[in-house]
Amino acid sequence: EPEVTQTPSHQVTQMGQEVILRCVPISNHLYFYWYRQILGQKVEFLVSFYNNEISEKSEIFDDQFSVERPDGSNFTLKIRSTKLEDSAMYFCASSETLSRVPAFFGQGTRLTVV
Amino acid sequence: QKEVEQNSGPLSVPEGAIASLNCTYSDRGSQSFFWYRQYSGKSPELIMFIYSNGDKEDGRFTAQLNKASQYVSLLIRDSQPSDSATYLCAVVQYNAGNNRKLIWGLGTSLAVNP
Repeated sequence: EPEVTQTPSHQVTQMGQEVILRCVPISNHLYFYWYRQILGQKVEFLVSFYNNEISEKSEIFDDQFSVERPDGSNFTLKIRSTKLEDSAMYFCASSETLSRVPAFFGQGTRLTVV
Repeated sequence: QKEVEQNSGPLSVPEGAIASLNCTYSDRGSQSFFWYRQYSGKSPELIMFIYSNGDKEDGRFTAQLNKASQYVSLLIRDSQPSDSATYLCAVVQYNAGNNRKLIWGLGTSLAVNP
């Protein structure tokens, strides 16, 4: 069964450092998403991406965040200067069409900022 | 701010019983509703979606939607210990340009006791 793959599964970083979270969406999917979930809190939408550009971003997704699809398979989330409050599980998701919200989530990257 | 509310639980049911999980939402214009299951430390997994008022059944799962009351529920029949997880309710929010994102509830923790 096709799946969304995320790496690394766990990343520990120093506050102020840059991190890149990587995702390989399902190959025929066209819409890509990043969500995050702080421990004990709701899943929160960060950004959606289609046709090599951001479709929508939330207020969380400020100038410290960026996304990229550098090579047609990977979909990355970069946090330029991490803060303690960026510690969370980050989920990548993809969908085939716009009419289908993300049904397929990656296993997540647990980011810990120390 | 559009909200999705769930009773965080824990909801405890004996094996074989019916588990009933409830969700309310604030945006009266919402059209699409989703139930995800999330095991501890794992990513959300889509169980069911429902768009129309009434019931929708899929195996042991039944989703119920009442748009007038802004209420959606998930029934799990013949509950099994493997159903023990957090159940997340999510509602699609539509924005300009027909972009859509999921707004999530906090989730209800379900424990099925053997």
